[in-house]
Amino acid sequence: DAGITQSPRHKVTETGTPVTLRCHQTENHRYMYWYRQDPGHGLRLIHYSYGVKDTDKGEVSDGYSVSRSKTEDFLLTLESATSSQTSVYFCAGASSYNSPLHFGNGTRLTVT
Amino acid sequence: QKEVEQNSGPLSVPEGAIASLNCTYSDRVSQSFFWYRQYSGKSPELIMSIYSNGDKEDGRFTAQLNKASQYVSLLIRDSQPSDSATYLCAVNSENTDKLIFGTGTRLQVFP
Repeated sequence: DAGITQSPRHKVTETGTPVTLRCHQTENHRYMYWYRQDPGHGLRLIHYSYGVKDTDKGEVSDGYSVSRSKTEDFLLTLESATSSQTSVYFCAGASSYNSPLHFGNGTRLTVT
Repeated sequence: QKEVEQNSGPLSVPEGAIASLNCTYSDRVSQSFFWYRQYSGKSPELIMSIYSNGDKEDGRFTAQLNKASQYVSLLIRDSQPSDSATYLCAVNSENTDKLIFGTGTRLQVFP
Protein backbone atom coordinates (compact mmCIF):
# COMPACT_ATOMS: atom_id res chain seq x y z
CA ASP A 1 0.00 0.00 0.00
CA ALA A 2 1.67 3.16 -1.21
CA GLY A 3 -0.02 5.09 1.60
CA ILE A 4 2.06 3.37 4.29
CA THR A 5 5.82 3.51 4.07
CA GLN A 6 8.21 1.67 6.36
CA SER A 7 11.88 2.45 6.83
CA PRO A 8 14.36 0.97 6.69
CA ARG A 9 13.39 -2.00 4.52
CA HIS A 10 16.30 -4.07 5.78
CA LYS A 11 18.48 -3.69 8.84
CA VAL A 12 21.20 -5.73 10.48
CA THR A 13 22.15 -4.79 14.01
CA GLU A 14 24.05 -6.22 16.94
CA THR A 15 22.64 -7.61 20.15
CA GLY A 16 22.20 -4.93 22.80
CA THR A 17 21.85 -1.96 20.47
CA PRO A 18 18.70 0.16 20.29
CA VAL A 19 16.80 0.12 17.03
CA THR A 20 13.97 2.31 15.76
CA LEU A 21 11.70 1.34 12.91
CA ARG A 22 9.62 4.01 11.25
CA CYS A 23 6.16 3.93 9.77
CA HIS A 24 4.76 6.88 7.85
CA GLN A 25 1.24 7.04 6.47
CA THR A 26 -0.54 9.49 4.20
CA GLU A 27 -4.04 7.97 4.54
CA ASN A 28 -5.08 9.72 7.77
CA HIS A 29 -5.62 6.35 9.47
CA ARG A 30 -6.59 6.83 13.07
CA TYR A 31 -5.45 3.35 14.08
CA MET A 32 -1.93 2.11 13.50
CA TYR A 33 -0.38 -1.22 14.36
CA TRP A 34 2.99 -2.93 14.55
CA TYR A 35 3.10 -6.67 13.90
CA ARG A 36 5.95 -9.11 13.67
CA GLN A 37 5.79 -12.16 11.46
CA ASP A 38 7.72 -15.34 12.15
CA PRO A 39 7.45 -18.83 10.64
CA GLY A 40 4.93 -20.91 12.52
CA HIS A 41 3.56 -17.94 14.44
CA GLY A 42 1.95 -15.82 11.79
CA LEU A 43 1.36 -12.13 12.44
CA ARG A 44 1.55 -11.18 16.10
CA LEU A 45 0.58 -7.78 17.41
CA ILE A 46 3.32 -5.87 19.22
CA HIS A 47 1.73 -2.50 19.95
CA TYR A 48 -0.97 -0.39 18.46
CA SER A 49 -2.21 3.17 18.54
CA TYR A 50 -5.76 4.48 18.50
CA GLY A 51 -4.82 8.12 18.21
CA VAL A 52 -2.00 10.60 18.69
CA LYS A 53 -0.21 9.79 21.94
CA ASP A 54 -2.68 6.93 22.60
CA THR A 55 -1.03 3.53 22.47
CA ASP A 56 -1.56 0.10 23.97
CA LYS A 57 0.21 -3.21 24.17
CA GLY A 58 -0.34 -6.22 21.98
CA GLU A 59 0.41 -9.86 22.70
CA VAL A 60 4.22 -9.66 22.26
CA SER A 61 5.11 -6.21 23.61
CA ASP A 62 8.02 -7.11 25.91
CA GLY A 63 11.23 -5.42 24.77
CA TYR A 64 9.40 -2.99 22.49
CA SER A 65 8.08 0.52 22.87
CA VAL A 66 6.19 2.80 20.51
CA SER A 67 5.50 6.46 20.07
CA ARG A 68 3.01 8.40 18.03
CA SER A 69 3.53 12.15 18.24
CA LYS A 70 1.47 12.89 15.12
CA THR A 71 -1.10 11.07 13.05
CA GLU A 72 1.28 10.29 10.21
CA ASP A 73 4.11 8.63 12.11
CA PHE A 74 4.27 5.55 14.31
CA LEU A 75 7.68 4.52 15.62
CA LEU A 76 8.67 1.15 17.01
CA THR A 77 11.75 1.00 19.24
CA LEU A 78 13.63 -2.08 20.34
CA GLU A 79 15.28 -0.80 23.49
CA SER A 80 18.07 -3.39 23.50
CA ALA A 81 17.87 -5.72 20.53
CA THR A 82 18.07 -9.48 21.08
CA SER A 83 18.41 -12.32 18.59
CA SER A 84 14.82 -13.37 19.34
CA GLN A 85 13.71 -10.08 17.81
CA THR A 86 15.03 -11.10 14.41
CA SER A 87 11.87 -10.99 12.34
CA VAL A 88 9.90 -9.25 9.64
CA TYR A 89 8.04 -6.26 11.02
CA PHE A 90 4.89 -4.90 9.44
CA CYS A 91 3.20 -1.61 10.10
CA ALA A 92 -0.50 -1.30 9.29
CA GLY A 93 -3.18 1.34 9.45
CA ALA A 94 -6.97 1.45 9.61
CA SER A 95 -9.59 4.15 9.74
CA SER A 96 -11.53 2.51 12.59
CA TYR A 97 -11.14 -0.44 14.92
CA ASN A 98 -13.20 -2.80 12.73
CA SER A 99 -11.97 -1.60 9.36
CA PRO A 100 -9.57 -3.66 7.25
CA LEU A 101 -5.88 -3.07 7.85
CA HIS A 102 -3.65 -1.74 5.12
CA PHE A 103 -0.05 -2.84 5.40
CA GLY A 104 3.30 -1.30 4.66
CA ASN A 105 5.95 -3.26 2.79
CA GLY A 106 7.68 -4.56 5.88
CA THR A 107 11.09 -4.28 7.50
CA ARG A 108 13.37 -7.29 7.71
CA LEU A 109 15.42 -6.99 10.90
CA THR A 110 18.32 -9.25 11.71
CA VAL A 111 19.93 -9.12 15.15
CA THR A 112 23.36 -10.77 15.25
CA GLN B 1 -6.98 -22.84 22.15
CA LYS B 2 -5.71 -20.31 19.64
CA GLU B 3 -8.01 -17.37 19.03
CA VAL B 4 -7.96 -17.84 15.25
CA GLU B 5 -7.11 -21.21 13.74
CA GLN B 6 -6.28 -22.21 10.21
CA ASN B 7 -4.90 -25.38 8.68
CA SER B 8 -1.34 -24.53 7.64
CA GLY B 9 -1.53 -26.66 4.49
CA PRO B 10 -0.26 -26.75 1.89
CA LEU B 11 -3.57 -27.09 0.13
CA SER B 12 -2.88 -28.25 -3.40
CA VAL B 13 -5.53 -27.86 -6.10
CA PRO B 14 -5.36 -28.17 -9.89
CA GLU B 15 -5.82 -25.14 -12.09
CA GLY B 16 -9.50 -24.43 -12.67
CA ALA B 17 -10.68 -26.13 -9.48
CA ILE B 18 -12.33 -24.57 -6.45
CA ALA B 19 -10.04 -23.94 -3.48
CA SER B 20 -11.72 -23.94 -0.08
CA LEU B 21 -9.95 -22.32 2.85
CA ASN B 22 -11.32 -22.49 6.37
CA CYS B 23 -10.86 -20.56 9.58
CA THR B 24 -12.34 -20.96 13.06
CA TYR B 25 -12.30 -18.44 15.87
CA SER B 26 -12.87 -18.61 19.60
CA ASP B 27 -14.36 -15.22 20.56
CA ARG B 28 -18.13 -15.43 20.23
CA VAL B 29 -18.55 -11.66 20.05
CA SER B 30 -16.29 -11.28 17.01
CA GLN B 31 -17.78 -8.83 14.55
CA SER B 32 -15.40 -8.27 11.65
CA PHE B 33 -13.73 -10.90 9.50
CA PHE B 34 -11.10 -10.50 6.84
CA TRP B 35 -9.16 -12.58 4.37
CA TYR B 36 -5.72 -11.47 3.30
CA ARG B 37 -3.45 -12.91 0.63
CA GLN B 38 0.30 -12.86 1.15
CA TYR B 39 2.80 -13.75 -1.53
CA SER B 40 6.21 -14.93 -0.38
CA GLY B 41 8.34 -11.99 0.72
CA LYS B 42 5.48 -9.50 0.36
CA SER B 43 3.07 -7.82 2.72
CA PRO B 44 -0.51 -9.04 3.27
CA GLU B 45 -3.13 -7.57 0.98
CA LEU B 46 -6.85 -7.51 1.71
CA ILE B 47 -9.00 -9.60 -0.60
CA MET B 48 -12.30 -9.91 1.29
CA SER B 49 -14.09 -8.53 4.32
CA ILE B 50 -17.33 -9.88 5.76
CA TYR B 51 -19.40 -8.71 8.70
CA SER B 52 -22.73 -10.57 8.47
CA ASN B 53 -23.72 -14.22 8.35
CA GLY B 54 -23.98 -15.69 4.89
CA ASP B 55 -22.03 -15.40 1.67
CA LYS B 56 -20.28 -12.44 0.09
CA GLU B 57 -19.02 -12.71 -3.46
CA ASP B 58 -16.39 -10.64 -5.23
CA GLY B 59 -15.30 -11.93 -8.60
CA ARG B 60 -13.81 -15.39 -8.18
CA PHE B 61 -13.78 -15.06 -4.39
CA THR B 62 -16.62 -15.92 -2.00
CA ALA B 63 -16.39 -15.43 1.75
CA GLN B 64 -18.78 -17.41 3.94
CA LEU B 65 -19.49 -16.57 7.57
CA ASN B 66 -21.31 -18.67 10.16
CA LYS B 67 -21.23 -16.95 13.55
CA ALA B 68 -23.18 -19.71 15.31
CA SER B 69 -20.50 -22.23 14.38
CA GLN B 70 -17.70 -19.66 14.65
CA TYR B 71 -16.15 -20.25 11.29
CA VAL B 72 -15.40 -18.24 8.22
CA SER B 73 -14.30 -19.66 4.89
CA LEU B 74 -12.96 -18.45 1.58
CA LEU B 75 -13.76 -20.10 -1.73
CA ILE B 76 -11.66 -19.38 -4.79
CA ARG B 77 -13.32 -20.46 -8.02
CA ASP B 78 -11.41 -21.23 -11.21
CA SER B 79 -8.14 -21.29 -9.28
CA GLN B 80 -5.09 -20.01 -11.13
CA PRO B 81 -1.38 -20.59 -10.50
CA SER B 82 -1.19 -16.88 -9.63
CA ASP B 83 -3.48 -17.62 -6.66
CA SER B 84 -0.65 -19.63 -5.08
CA ALA B 85 0.06 -17.77 -1.85
CA THR B 86 -0.59 -17.89 1.86
CA TYR B 87 -4.09 -16.87 2.89
CA LEU B 88 -4.52 -15.24 6.28
CA CYS B 89 -7.76 -15.12 8.21
CA ALA B 90 -8.17 -12.18 10.60
CA VAL B 91 -10.87 -11.56 13.19
CA ASN B 92 -11.78 -8.50 15.21
CA SER B 93 -13.77 -8.70 18.42
CA GLU B 94 -16.33 -6.19 19.60
CA ASN B 95 -14.52 -6.27 22.95
CA THR B 96 -11.21 -5.07 21.62
CA ASP B 97 -9.76 -2.94 18.88
CA LYS B 98 -7.18 -5.55 17.97
CA LEU B 99 -7.20 -7.64 14.82
CA ILE B 100 -6.05 -11.20 15.47
CA PHE B 101 -4.58 -13.24 12.64
CA GLY B 102 -4.45 -16.95 12.06
CA THR B 103 -1.13 -18.46 11.02
CA GLY B 104 -2.32 -18.81 7.43
CA THR B 105 -2.98 -21.56 4.91
CA ARG B 106 -0.56 -22.04 2.06
CA LEU B 107 -2.35 -22.64 -1.23
CA GLN B 108 -0.64 -24.22 -4.21
CA VAL B 109 -2.40 -24.22 -7.58
CA PHE B 110 -0.70 -26.50 -10.09
CA PRO B 111 -1.17 -26.31 -13.87
